[in-house]
Amino acid sequence: DAMVIQNPRYQVTQFGKPVTLSCSQTLNHNVMYWYQQKSSQAPKLLFHYYDKDFNNEADTPDNFQSRRPNTSFCFLDIRSPGLGDAAMYLCATSRTGLSVNEQFFGPGTRLTVL
Amino acid sequence: ILNVEQSPQSLHVQEGDSTNFTCSFPSSNFYALHWYRWETAKSPEALFVMTLNGDEKKKGRISATLNTKEGYSYLYIKGSQPEDSATYLCAPRGTGRRALTFGSGTRLQVQP
Repeated sequence: DAMVIQNPRYQVTQFGKPVTLSCSQTLNHNVMYWYQQKSSQAPKLLFHYYDKDFNNEADTPDNFQSRRPNTSFCFLDIRSPGLGDAAMYLCATSRTGLSVNEQFFGPGTRLTVL
Repeated sequence: ILNVEQSPQSLHVQEGDSTNFTCSFPSSNFYALHWYRWETAKSPEALFVMTLNGDEKKKGRISATLNTKEGYSYLYIKGSQPEDSATYLCAPRGTGRRALTFGSGTRLQVQP
């Protein structure tokens, strides 16, 4: 089945230790998104790739970076995680040209910062 | 689109009860509204995408309505079942914007 895969599902890191979360998709969608969801809050868009073009949200901290080496993979790098970065990180994809830009989500990676 | 509000934040109902939730959003620059169901440990799953004022969508026991002029959408679940337990997220999209803006969701718990 075509899908969005996130690894790992649970990630524990130490304060200040760089961490990378990964997302892959078999849908061949050209747009990939990263959302951050803190406890009981709305998922918040961090950035997205439209093809190879990176689009950062204005309020995304510099501590968060992303890479998209090819259509299928997208990475979220947190350079120096703080306690406030503990959250669920959701990856999503969509394809331009399809009706109303429906987004398909992975199951998320829950990040714990010790 | 900013300031998306969903109510209630959480809801506990008995199996067989019917229930409904509200999503409110600014009505200006509206393009589409998405509803997602997110079960614990699973991926958020798309329920409906709605674009036109007065739209009504139905999938099994779940239905949704849209009022773009006043900026709200209702999601209804008829005869709730334990498998309906999930967080229901709404996400409007504005014109000229690719990304969605999510509400914080309504967490539904259906007791057998």
